[in-house]
Amino acid sequence: EVQLVQSGAEVKKPGESLKISCKGSGYSFSTYWIGWVRQMPGKGLEWMGIIYPSDSDTRYSPSFQGQVTISADKSISTAYLQWSSLKASDTAMYYCARGGSYFQHWGQGTLVTVSS
Amino acid sequence: EIVLTQSPGTLSLSPGERATLSCRASQSVSSRYLAWYQQKPGQAPRLLIYGASSRATGIPDRFSGSGSGTDFTLTISRLEPEDFAVYYCQQYGSSPWTFGQGTKVEIK
Repeated sequence: EVQLVQSGAEVKKPGESLKISCKGSGYSFSTYWIGWVRQMPGKGLEWMGIIYPSDSDTRYSPSFQGQVTISADKSISTAYLQWSSLKASDTAMYYCARGGSYFQHWGQGTLVTVSS
Repeated sequence: EIVLTQSPGTLSLSPGERATLSCRASQSVSSRYLAWYQQKPGQAPRLLIYGASSRATGIPDRFSGSGSGTDFTLTISRLEPEDFAVYYCQQYGSSPWTFGQGTKVEIK
């Protein structure tokens, strides 16, 4: 069974850094793209970017390029989403999902709250 | 980037009725690379349809997708109580992939 398990909820202050994770199991992690999707409170889904763990080929939405970093460690079947300096506007639920086109399998989501 | 506009914003229907959801693209979506997702409160989205009309694994046949070019439709033939949720379309034909803003199907 394909599973994507995300790290737990985070509460951070503006300016702090953060790295959240998404661990895949039940399939060959290296050979499937993993993507990240943002959902701000009460809002819709936003495609952030995708990574191919085998060679770390990464594609970003222009809206998120330079704002976040997507990475992966294939040796432990884990993808990451990180911020170097959080803003209040980064408060959202973040989902990882498997797929380079449509997303067939989703993680449970990680809630990130940024507040002073 | 391709902008997807979903309509209506909210659809108020009764169980057993037919639901028709629209997704219109600002430019043609190549090769019918369009997907539909369902999201219930507090849950991650679930893939329903990909390739505009192919049902994902385990999706009941009351869900169907159609369309091409710039106009796509998700149809739920007879609403079941568990179908009341928010539905999103997503295109993956032109980078960056994008989502529509969602249509909420609520109980009338």
